[in-house]
Amino acid sequence: DAKTTQPPSMDCAEGRAANLPCNHSTISGNEYVYWYRQIHSQGPQYIIHGLKNNETNEMASLIITEDRKSSTLILPHATLRDTAVYYCIVRVGIVNAGKSTFGDGTTLTVKP
Amino acid sequence: NAGVMQNPRHLVRRRGQEARLRCSPMKGHSHVYWYRQLPEEGLKFMVYLQKENIIDESGMPKERFSAEFPKEGPSILRIQQVVRGDSAAYFCASQGQGAAQPQHFGDGTRLSIL
Repeated sequence: DAKTTQPPSMDCAEGRAANLPCNHSTISGNEYVYWYRQIHSQGPQYIIHGLKNNETNEMASLIITEDRKSSTLILPHATLRDTAVYYCIVRVGIVNAGKSTFGDGTTLTVKP
Repeated sequence: NAGVMQNPRHLVRRRGQEARLRCSPMKGHSHVYWYRQLPEEGLKFMVYLQKENIIDESGMPKERFSAEFPKEGPSILRIQQVVRGDSAAYFCASQGQGAAQPQHFGDGTRLSIL
């Protein structure tokens, strides 16, 4: 699995958009980008994933650059409950792709 | 549609005892992963199983640790002769059969060794 690089921490004002970047410059053509978050000591929560097109769901949007070497997770209207550690992972998109490799993630603090 | 269920949520053992952690995957999921998270650290992969088969155990210590995912019933992570360093949160994730399916995690078992 390709390695990812994320800033260790970010702050965001409540109600504003939170933009979390991720670099994955060695990503392969068959690797997807997945985002998870971990709130306090709960289990990681799946947020969104994509291959090369931008994706949106009820939680967030994922913007992937054209060269696929980086991506941005966007939480459009951050709330205090979005305070968490956010992990960006790249992984081959086949059925038995195997483990996800979690880095240190970005600690997002949403402030009132 | 129930999520990934892990039990117990908290487990306390004395040094030298055995710990058994259970994971019931989401309905229809036949791929199970176990991860360990030490305090203030990230998740570390331990083992990947499909029904009745261990696919990748590269992250699991060779001694004292074992995992299974039988044809019927939950996946079990077993730690024999526990030591203080085994204290951690153990998370299970399951994945569906389709390509690019994400892993879905349970809320973990917090293992404390006295």
